[in-house]
Amino acid sequence: SQQGEEDPQALSIQEGENATMNCSYKTSINNLQWYRQNSGRGLVHLILIRSNEREKHSGRLRVTLDTSKKSSSLLITASRAADTASYFCATPSGGYQKVTFGTGTKLQVIP
Amino acid sequence: GAGVSQSPSNKVTEKGKDVELRCDPISGHTALYWYRQRLGQGLEFLIYFQGNSAPDKSGLPSDRFSAERTGESVSTLTIQRTQQEDSAVYLCASSRRMQETQYFGPGTRLLVL
Repeated sequence: SQQGEEDPQALSIQEGENATMNCSYKTSINNLQWYRQNSGRGLVHLILIRSNEREKHSGRLRVTLDTSKKSSSLLITASRAADTASYFCATPSGGYQKVTFGTGTKLQVIP
Repeated sequence: GAGVSQSPSNKVTEKGKDVELRCDPISGHTALYWYRQRLGQGLEFLIYFQGNSAPDKSGLPSDRFSAERTGESVSTLTIQRTQQEDSAVYLCASSRRMQETQYFGPGTRLLVL
């Protein structure tokens, strides 16, 4: 089973609205990463949050981490059509020797 | 190089043929990863290398799949006797060290007819 699972699987919003995606994971982690993927090709790293951090910002992105609930959220504020992509969370697994990606949230931002 | 490169970008092959996919990581990155992504699905972890060693090969789908890395640089993923279910995008990523940010290549889109 997936170490990380995103929710919702798909999200459609109007340009300018905020988009929130959630990630749940199963085992203890030392960090959690969010990636973005356009058009089914290479992924781009967005942000890394460490287990001792609760919130992190990068531009229009805000990531939270709740280790007690084993969950993280990615908030994109003031969304743009160019934010349309799939978003994945990634967590260490296999004794921190591997990184496992969740199933992803497909975001569509309608102009 | 500037980033992770993969070749070929697209590969169409006939069922039963062998294919070899190549990944050139960012220079100096010790960790290298291979993933498979079927259409509309998430990433499926296949294998990772720490240097030239692959400590865990349990993610490879079958014994038709193998991978190697030489010189702590280029890696090849070989699929023998391809099957139609092998059709997918194969993504390679590298990172400076394990658990650090992964930088992805553009992927190889494999179609097995």
